[in-house]
Amino acid sequence: GENVEQHPSTLSVQEGDSAVIKCTYSDSASNYFPWYKQELGKGPQLIIDIRSNVGEKKDQRIAVTLNKTAKHFSLHITETQPEDSAVYFCAARNTGNQFYFGTGTSLTVIP
Amino acid sequence: DTGVSQDPRHKITKRGQNVTFRCDPISEHNRLYWYRQTLGQGPEFLTYFQNEAQLEKSRLLSDRFSAERPKGSFSTLEIQRTEQGDSAMYLCASSLGAAEAFFGQGTRLTVV
Repeated sequence: GENVEQHPSTLSVQEGDSAVIKCTYSDSASNYFPWYKQELGKGPQLIIDIRSNVGEKKDQRIAVTLNKTAKHFSLHITETQPEDSAVYFCAARNTGNQFYFGTGTSLTVIP
Repeated sequence: DTGVSQDPRHKITKRGQNVTFRCDPISEHNRLYWYRQTLGQGPEFLTYFQNEAQLEKSRLLSDRFSAERPKGSFSTLEIQRTEQGDSAMYLCASSLGAAEAFFGQGTRLTVV
C-alpha cells in the first residue's frame, strides 16, 4: 500500500511569514494529492489539491507543488495569518481510491 | 448546510456495548468513505462504498465493525462489543467519483 510521510510535525512562524510543509509518498501509481486543514474538534477541511498531471497549483495565499519523479509534494502558505493556525494533513490517493494521510503538521502563527 | 453530516457528534459508551454512527453524504455523491482518527494522527482508512456496494475494507476493520449503505445514500458504521481501543474520532467523507472528497465533522467515540 501507500506510505505518506509528512514534515515537520510542528511549525511556528511569525505572522506575515511563509510556511512550507513537505510530504513524500511511496506508490508511484498515486495520482491525486489533497491537503486538509483541521481545527480542534472538527473534521478535515479541503484547502487545495493537485493531480498528477500538474506540477503546481495556486489559490490566493496557498500553493501546492508536486514532483512526481521524486514522489514529493509541498504546501506553501504565504503571508500567514493567525487564523491559519491549525493542523494540516497531506494525503495521497492511489488507484484503489483510498486516501492515505500523513501524520499532520501543527502550524502556529504567532501574531 | 449541504455538507457531509454525521450523527451523533459525541458518544460515550461502556465497554462491551454496541454503538452505531450515521453519515449523510453530500447529495448525489456516489462515493462514501469511513476513516478513524486517533489523537495526534492522520485519518486511517476503514472502508469505502461506491453507491451501495462496499468495495474495500481495511485490515483495521475487525469482525466487530460493520458498515452499510443500503440505498446508496446515507451510511451506518456499527461497532459491536466496544473496547477501549475503539475510542477515536470516526470520520465520514464523500466524493463524486474521483473528484475531491469532503469530510464531515466526525463522531467522537469514548469507550469507558
